Amino acid sequence: QVHLQESGPAVLKPSETLSLTCSLSGGYFGSFYWNWIRQAPGKRPEWIGFVTYIGTTNYSPSLQSRVTMSVDTSNNQFSLRLASVTAADTAVYYCARDASGLRFFDYWGQGVLVTVSS
Amino acid sequence: DIVMTQSPDSLPVSLGERATLQCRSSQTILHDFNNKSYLAWYQHKSGQPPKLLIYWASTRESGVPDRFTGSGSGTDFTLTINNLQAEDVAAYYCQQFYTSPSTFGQGTKLEIK
Repeated sequence: QVHLQESGPAVLKPSETLSLTCSLSGGYFGSFYWNWIRQAPGKRPEWIGFVTYIGTTNYSPSLQSRVTMSVDTSNNQFSLRLASVTAADTAVYYCARDASGLRFFDYWGQGVLVTVSS
Repeated sequence: DIVMTQSPDSLPVSLGERATLQCRSSQTILHDFNNKSYLAWYQHKSGQPPKLLIYWASTRESGVPDRFTGSGSGTDFTLTINNLQAEDVAAYYCQQFYTSPSTFGQGTKLEIK
């Protein structure tokens, strides 16, 4: 059974860089698209972007200038970096698998709340 | 970006009854070449990861009970939950994957009346 688990700091200060890792167990990286999605309090989910097992990336235009994703297949992990965070980046961050490349998500992590506060 | 609008925001339904959730897209999400609507539905229970229920507007994900039915085409979609169970209490989200960036609705919170 595929299991995804996010990890990273829970609190950041404005202007810092958010850095999260998603660990995959029970599955393999090949041929899939590995996504990050976030949901701010009281808001709808927002797709951030994906990285493939060979490192191909695609980001949401609204976040593209601040986002970097990478993959570490040897450790079954992929990562998200979001630069210059503000309070508007406070959200639960989820990692999720897209098995088909069509951008719907069949496995999700539990999510991690990241709060940006001075 | 395509805007997804769900209704109602909150839906109280009695156990054993039917719940009908609506989702509308700001433009068509039906592809002519395969006649498929690029819509998914997710169930999100408190404290759990979101769960994929439906894709292609009406294809049930493996393991999803047949009480859950997706329908609709073009811009208007429905998720129907028959014989509501206590375990169905959750937020339900629709998502379009017709164009990038894929976008989600604001959700419908299903509760027991």
